Amino acid sequence: QSVLTQPPSVSGAPGQRVTISCTGSSSNIGAGYDVHWYQQLPGTAPKLLIYGNSNRPSGVPDRFSGSKSGTSASLAITGLQAEDEADYYCQSYDSSLRRVFGTGTKVTVL
Amino acid sequence: EVQLVESGGGLVQPGGSLRLSCAASGFTFSSYWMSWVRQAPGKGLEWVANIKQDGSEKYYVDSVKGRFTISRDNAKNSLYLQMNSLRAEDTAVYYCARDLYYARFAYMDVWGKGTTVTVSS
Repeated sequence: QSVLTQPPSVSGAPGQRVTISCTGSSSNIGAGYDVHWYQQLPGTAPKLLIYGNSNRPSGVPDRFSGSKSGTSASLAITGLQAEDEADYYCQSYDSSLRRVFGTGTKVTVL
Repeated sequence: EVQLVESGGGLVQPGGSLRLSCAASGFTFSSYWMSWVRQAPGKGLEWVANIKQDGSEKYYVDSVKGRFTISRDNAKNSLYLQMNSLRAEDTAVYYCARDLYYARFAYMDVWGKGTTVTVSS
């Protein structure tokens, strides 16, 4: 079971802003480990979306942004588009220095 | 083009073995740590193992320790996962991924399309 908790689903109309939380503890995010985010479109492999809490790799639209505070992190999608419908996962480390993923969030565009 | 292509998945009985391969191209394979990540049907992602550039360091998730072995052949630009004593709960799509490091800890910037492992009698 994952130590990083995400809401199972979020939804929004095209053009709206949605946020996805990634809640951890003092043993992972709160211990200072950075958070990264991945997007998994239906039937495809995950794709890196945000690294180092808030950095976008080349080619990722600036509609996607990340932040981290305390024991949690957030991914925001502004100007939601139909192509953003996907599963999103956060990733960090725990106190045993093992990589951990969040539980995953399904984004639905209404 | 940077690319990772997995192969070797299939149907295997409980207790059996399987060896996954991942062929890398488009980048200097020997310069990167590499990982395996799996995803059980309808479930989330789980990091499985990773290996240092020269193979001298390897790390595993607790659930596969002693059963799975990660290895690499830099001359062949290939990553491997030897899976023994397979269990039903190992059923998943297995992804090969390239590690990058940010402030001493890794994330995965390139992923393969995955290979499916099914453990069933």
